[in-house]
Amino acid sequence: AQSVTQPDIHITVSEGASLELRCNYSYGATPYLFWYVQSPGQGLQLLLKYFSGDTLVQGIKGFEAEFKRSQSSFNLRKPSVHWSDAAEYFCAVGLYGGSQGNLIFGKGTKLSVKP
Amino acid sequence: KAGVTQTPRYLIKTRGQQVTLSCSPISGHRSVSWYQQTPGQGLQFLFEYFSETQRNKGNFPGRFSGRQFSNSRSEMNVSTLELGDSALYLCASSLEELAGVETQYFGPGTRLLVL
Repeated sequence: AQSVTQPDIHITVSEGASLELRCNYSYGATPYLFWYVQSPGQGLQLLLKYFSGDTLVQGIKGFEAEFKRSQSSFNLRKPSVHWSDAAEYFCAVGLYGGSQGNLIFGKGTKLSVKP
Repeated sequence: KAGVTQTPRYLIKTRGQQVTLSCSPISGHRSVSWYQQTPGQGLQFLFEYFSETQRNKGNFPGRFSGRQFSNSRSEMNVSTLELGDSALYLCASSLEELAGVETQYFGPGTRLLVL
């Protein structure tokens, strides 16, 4: 079955430091990949998506992600973290429906930012 | 354009009651999906509607049901509430069907507490 793994449950970084959130997926075909962010008590906001083409995709708020087929990974990066980036981040794989639905999410990585 | 709206935002019910949650998609979007988010299980797909038809359903009991109206607004209903139904219920809309390969935009969610 298709799955998404985010190995890090909780990460703490200092403000201004770089960030990398890991995401690995298991999917037989070409994946459609997404990163979403969720602030406390809020819904999910799309940061970026990969459908095809350039494997380095740029998103909002200064985030980028790189698709590596050989490693089945889609890691999210930001060169300099701001305190407002503290939130929970979800990686997801898009499917063509079925009982797993249209998006399979990882369990999320909670990001804390130290001043 | 207004984003996805969900009502009510918060709800408290007791076991055995039933509840109806509402979702209004972004104008022009025809696909609506519902997700349940809990700390233990994460984000789980409930169902997807497109053009008033249920296209996909997740692995939830029959107590969970939904529908979509001609204006694309959607409702989900949970009957005979159980304590384990306490969760954040998220609605997402996308332009077309095959929502997994379309970008889904999420609402703020309805937080349901079952006592």
